Amino acid sequence: DADVTQTPRNRITKTGKRIMLECSQTKGHDRMYWYRQDPGLGLRLIYYSFDVKDINKGEISDGYSVSRQAQAKFSLSLESAIPNQTALYFCATSERTAVYGYTFGSGTRLTVV
Amino acid sequence: AQSVSQHNHHVILSEAASLELGCNYSYGGTVNLFWYVQYPGQHLQLLLKYFSGDPLVKGIKGFEAEFIKSKFSFNLRKPSVQWSDTAEYFCAVNVPFSSGSARQLTFGSGTQLTVLP
Repeated sequence: DADVTQTPRNRITKTGKRIMLECSQTKGHDRMYWYRQDPGLGLRLIYYSFDVKDINKGEISDGYSVSRQAQAKFSLSLESAIPNQTALYFCATSERTAVYGYTFGSGTRLTVV
Repeated sequence: AQSVSQHNHHVILSEAASLELGCNYSYGGTVNLFWYVQYPGQHLQLLLKYFSGDPLVKGIKGFEAEFIKSKFSFNLRKPSVQWSDTAEYFCAVNVPFSSGSARQLTFGSGTQLTVLP
């Protein structure tokens, strides 16, 4: 099994719909992150969580919300999806200092029509 | 704010050509440096990392990178590329969050490498 698992792998949804992307990890890491990837823009941080009770906004949090249900689970929600949220979304985990880098999930390709 | 720059957005090479991808960062403190690779349709995987010591770091699949502190650079190299190296490559630097001692990775915008058979 993968260390970081994201579901679903692909999703097409309509404008205005609420959608949740889920992430679970078996690394035992405290830190979890949600990024979106767009061509030419690299990875941009949406939200990050230091532990279950510590959640922080990243550089592009507008239109998104998150929930850290447990140390191993970190969900990303789009409350009312819009077409410019079409992107590839990655969940990642790390230990506190990130000295070993991040472990990434396989990504969720989201299309909002 | 700290930033990571990858100046080459798309590099096209023929098989057996040598590769060098540039990466510069703006943070002046102690850093750890990373190169990640993303093969088509896949997630980011760690290619190599620099912690300290020897500035020449060797990674998987014949890749290496050199940390030049005075130039704030961490360029990725490979002497002879293969078609299977076609992928997107991301440089990353772990820098502190705005408060506290915890660190996060800041990523460059990526370089798409296409290797022609």
